[in-house]
Amino acid sequence: SQKIEQNSEALNIQEGKTATLTCNYTNYSPAYLQWYRQDPGRGPVFLLLIRENEKEKRKERLKVTFDTTLKQSLFHITASQPADSATYLCALDIPGRRALTFGSGTRLQVQP
Amino acid sequence: DGGITQSPKYLFRKEGQNVTLSCEQNLNHDAMYWYRQDPGQGLRLIYYSQIVNDFQKGDIAEGYSVSREKKESFPLTVTSAQKNPTAFYLCASSKAQAPRIRHFGDGTRLSIL
Repeated sequence: SQKIEQNSEALNIQEGKTATLTCNYTNYSPAYLQWYRQDPGRGPVFLLLIRENEKEKRKERLKVTFDTTLKQSLFHITASQPADSATYLCALDIPGRRALTFGSGTRLQVQP
Repeated sequence: DGGITQSPKYLFRKEGQNVTLSCEQNLNHDAMYWYRQDPGQGLRLIYYSQIVNDFQKGDIAEGYSVSREKKESFPLTVTSAQKNPTAFYLCASSKAQAPRIRHFGDGTRLSIL
């Protein structure tokens, strides 16, 4: 079965630094990989999507890379701010499967 | 603004009781989903529906039931057969076509009395 691994330990960084979160997967290669942000007690909010034939995608301070050889996606937040503190989830959309497969998320804490 | 509304925010269930969680969307999405989230775990799919009057079991459907009588509504019933119902329940919707980006509600937290 498909497995997704995100670092379960919280990531603590200083304001202004770049945060890098990792999403590793096994078995099938997804057609799309999506990143979501979740705040405590709230539902996830979609941030970025990258297709299997794309290596990199950017949106403002966010950047996602996708390496299908390593079976890994990296999610970067540049010039991080305390307001970026949240849990970030990656999700894989695999052709033929009925639903997204979500990772358990990585909690990011940005210190002022 | 379009979105998904889940109610109630908090719900308590007594032993042997069925409870129903509400989910309404005004995004005109065809597909709707129910997920369960437990601490330290990813979202697990309970049920999903791609069109009105049709729904399929997800990975952890035992002890749950759903209906899809209207495009806008997808209520989830947690039955007494679900022995460990304490969790955060999330409803989502998406367009039917890929990439099927999920739009989530703000969840219902269910606890046992």
